[in-house]
Amino acid sequence: DAGVTQSPTHLIKTRGQQVTLRCSPKSGHDTVSWYQQALGQGPQFIFQYYEEEERQRGNFPDRFSGHQFPNYSSELNVNALLLGDSALYLCASSPGGDGNLYEQYFGPGTRLTVT
Amino acid sequence: QKEVEQNSGPLSVPEGAIASLNCTYSDRGSQSFFWYRQYSGKSPELIMFIYSNGDKEDGRFTAQLNKASQYVSLLIRDSQPSDSATYLCAVPIGDYKLSFGAGTTVTVRA
Repeated sequence: DAGVTQSPTHLIKTRGQQVTLRCSPKSGHDTVSWYQQALGQGPQFIFQYYEEEERQRGNFPDRFSGHQFPNYSSELNVNALLLGDSALYLCASSPGGDGNLYEQYFGPGTRLTVT
Repeated sequence: QKEVEQNSGPLSVPEGAIASLNCTYSDRGSQSFFWYRQYSGKSPELIMFIYSNGDKEDGRFTAQLNKASQYVSLLIRDSQPSDSATYLCAVPIGDYKLSFGAGTTVTVRA
């Protein structure tokens, strides 16, 4: 049973560029959440996708956008990269059903460095 | 006021001792609480969750919840060097968002 997978593992971009990160949820999970984790901090919620719609968003600017596909996989896009966007980006998936919404399982993350 | 706060670390304990980690939260409506373990350079791993007041035990881990005091804790009994990691407390805020504390780093001395 494959867990949550993310690609790429590492990425180096220049300020002003755009980046796309990808996530495949754990088998049987239909909900995907994205988090940003800066060094020494806890993960910060970016947004959550369910049924191909963004259903909740954290305190992140519109430069951060996402998408969920019919197979439940998801992408995170960040435009006009800033140095402060350098972080570990985590994807977490949850099983379906209201009772399990918060039991989120994380992928290995994508380390983004903006220079 | 932060949504989730954890006691500042780092926490250093000798092998075989009990490590005690604390977490407070601001939303009185929160009903479920999660502890994640994160090894250096790795992603968070869910190790415990608790929904009801009182204690929940899973192996060497015990989660304790006191909703009246808005307090949740994690005890690690018989601490092992492999328990050395950062422990993150997570609390749902609103319908779908998990809010995380900054984490407490635990070092188990052999």
